[in-house]
Amino acid sequence: AQKITQTQPGMFVQEKEAVTLDCTYDTSDPSYGLFWYKQPSSGEMIFLIYQGSYDQQNATEGRYSLNFQKARKSANLVISASQLGDSAMYFCAMRGRIGANSKLTFGKGITLSVRP
Amino acid sequence: NAGVTQTPKFRILKIGQSMTLQCAQDMNHNYMYWYRQDPGMGLKLIYYSVGAGITDKGEVPNGYNVSRSTTEDFPLRLELAAPSQTSVYFCASSLPGGNSPLHFGNGTRLTVT
Repeated sequence: AQKITQTQPGMFVQEKEAVTLDCTYDTSDPSYGLFWYKQPSSGEMIFLIYQGSYDQQNATEGRYSLNFQKARKSANLVISASQLGDSAMYFCAMRGRIGANSKLTFGKGITLSVRP
Repeated sequence: NAGVTQTPKFRILKIGQSMTLQCAQDMNHNYMYWYRQDPGMGLKLIYYSVGAGITDKGEVPNGYNVSRSTTEDFPLRLELAAPSQTSVYFCASSLPGGNSPLHFGNGTRLTVT
């Protein structure tokens, strides 16, 4: 079974500052992927970044980076230089390689508000 | 590219009515999924399919049915709508493998009264 835990309450950040959104996970699958999605108030799910369990380097996509600590089973999202448009709900998710684990399991999400 | 298309965008049902939520993808993805999202919560998996003719239950399948007769389409059927099924429904598709992200449709907001 797969489990994603996001326990931070609503997060606030000042525009242009960096923010870290926490995510811990649990799985018995030796090979898996970790994903972050953004859900703005308009409701769509936007894929942000992916980290493979065997990747040696932390993933980066523009202003997004993933702080992956495999031994601690954590996959925190770092957003640098926050913008007002980053205000949204952020979901951490994981996906195994085969069978029942091939579905995407989501955490409960974290609300981020960017202050001007 | 259309990606994943869901219809309708909004729907209000009376208790006991039935309806089908449509989902189609044009990316030739084998894997398709239905999730529901309750207010302030994450997404919970209802059903998924790894290919035409194959479907499997997810976390919360009760009250729903699916079929997968083609690679492109994955409709979700609600037979006897209940207030507990008021939610936002997302369809998604992906390639197989743990490194492939899911591509989501824009969601269907369903209210059962």
